[in-house]
Amino acid sequence: GDSVTQMEGPVTLSEEAFLTINCTYTATGYPSLFWYVQYPGEGLQLLLKATKADDKGSNKGFEATYRKETTSFHLEKGSVQVSDSAVYFCALIHSGGGADGLTFGKGTHLIIQP
Amino acid sequence: ETGVTQTPRHLVMGMTNKKSLKCEQHLGHNAMYWYKQSAKKPLELMFVYSLEERVENNSVPSRFSPECPNSSHLFLHLHTLQPEDSALYLCASSPGDGDYYGYTFGSGTRLTVV
Repeated sequence: GDSVTQMEGPVTLSEEAFLTINCTYTATGYPSLFWYVQYPGEGLQLLLKATKADDKGSNKGFEATYRKETTSFHLEKGSVQVSDSAVYFCALIHSGGGADGLTFGKGTHLIIQP
Repeated sequence: ETGVTQTPRHLVMGMTNKKSLKCEQHLGHNAMYWYKQSAKKPLELMFVYSLEERVENNSVPSRFSPECPNSSHLFLHLHTLQPEDSALYLCASSPGDGDYYGYTFGSGTRLTVV
């Protein structure tokens, strides 16, 4: 079945540092890929997405590129802020969605220190 | 406010109690989902409803019983739960083509079974 693998952390960085959170997936066909973010005490919010190979999703300074050849969707940000501290989830879904729903990784806890 | 509202935010119940979780969305979405989020585990898809019909239940124990009376409301009825059922229960909704737009999540209900 489908699966998503990401570094669990916690990942601790200083403010203004460069961020990379790795995500790789195993799936048949061409799934859509997503990054979600969960702030303390809240549900998941969609951060960005890519629906086909070589697409780049971007939002709030974050970006990720759909790499079919390496089955990866790494999340990057050039300069992180304290407010970026949260748990980040990589996820995939097959075209048509349906019964399978979103498949998530375990989440990466990111801590940004001032 | 994400557009998906879950109540209550917190719930403590004994193993012999019966309670219900409520989810409401007014986004015009056609599909609704229940996910379970436990520490150190990926989010687990519990139930999928598409156009008010259950599509998948992913072998969830019968002590969890979903109900979708209309496309805007989703319930999760709980009875004779176990301590290991303590978790954050997340509701989500999506348009018919959730593979492109992703899901919108509520803030969750933090359930503690004592």
